Amino acid sequence: QVQLVESGGGLVKPGGSLRLSCIVSGLTFSDWYMSWIRQAPGKGLEWVSYINSGSSATNYADSVKGRFTISRDNAKNSLYLQMNSLRVEDTAVYYCVRGHTILGAWGQGIRVTVSS
Amino acid sequence: EIVLTQSPGTLSLSPGDRATLSCRASQSLSSTPLAWYQQKPGQAPRLLIHDASSRATGIPDRFSGGGSGTDFTLTISRLEPEDFAVYYCQQYGSSPYTFGQGTKLEIK
Repeated sequence: QVQLVESGGGLVKPGGSLRLSCIVSGLTFSDWYMSWIRQAPGKGLEWVSYINSGSSATNYADSVKGRFTISRDNAKNSLYLQMNSLRVEDTAVYYCVRGHTILGAWGQGIRVTVSS
Repeated sequence: EIVLTQSPGTLSLSPGDRATLSCRASQSLSSTPLAWYQQKPGQAPRLLIHDASSRATGIPDRFSGGGSGTDFTLTISRLEPEDFAVYYCQQYGSSPYTFGQGTKLEIK
């Protein structure tokens, strides 16, 4: 079955950086667009970014543009999110997700807390 | 940006009842690029419906979706205890792909 496993979250001070990783199994990773979706505590879902299968196209929410960078390594079946200049409002559970329109498979999520 | 407004915010029903959840878009979605997700406490969301009315793999047929343009619905024909959760709609017709704020379906 499809599995997506995120890692790299934690507590970071405002202005700091974190790199999230997601290892994917159970599908042909290189065939799929991939996304990051986040959910602030007690709030709804927010699309963050997506990348196409060959890494030639990316897209970002305005709230993270210029601060976050999505990337992937198809040889390692891995998706990444480099998060710089983190703000308190970036505090959320971040989900690695298969697809960019229809979000068909989700990881369990990784918590990122931005606090001084 | 397309804003999705879900109603009601909370729906209180009993097992065996029929549930109807609404999702309204701020502008018309060409074709039917709308999905529904279910999220239980402490879990990741799960895809239920895509293209407004197509059930995802493994989703029971008591879940059905409909609508077009700006008005969409998710119907659960007979509620099972495991159906009480939060439901989100999402549009993928126009970037940024946005979510509704969610409808909490709770046991009455």
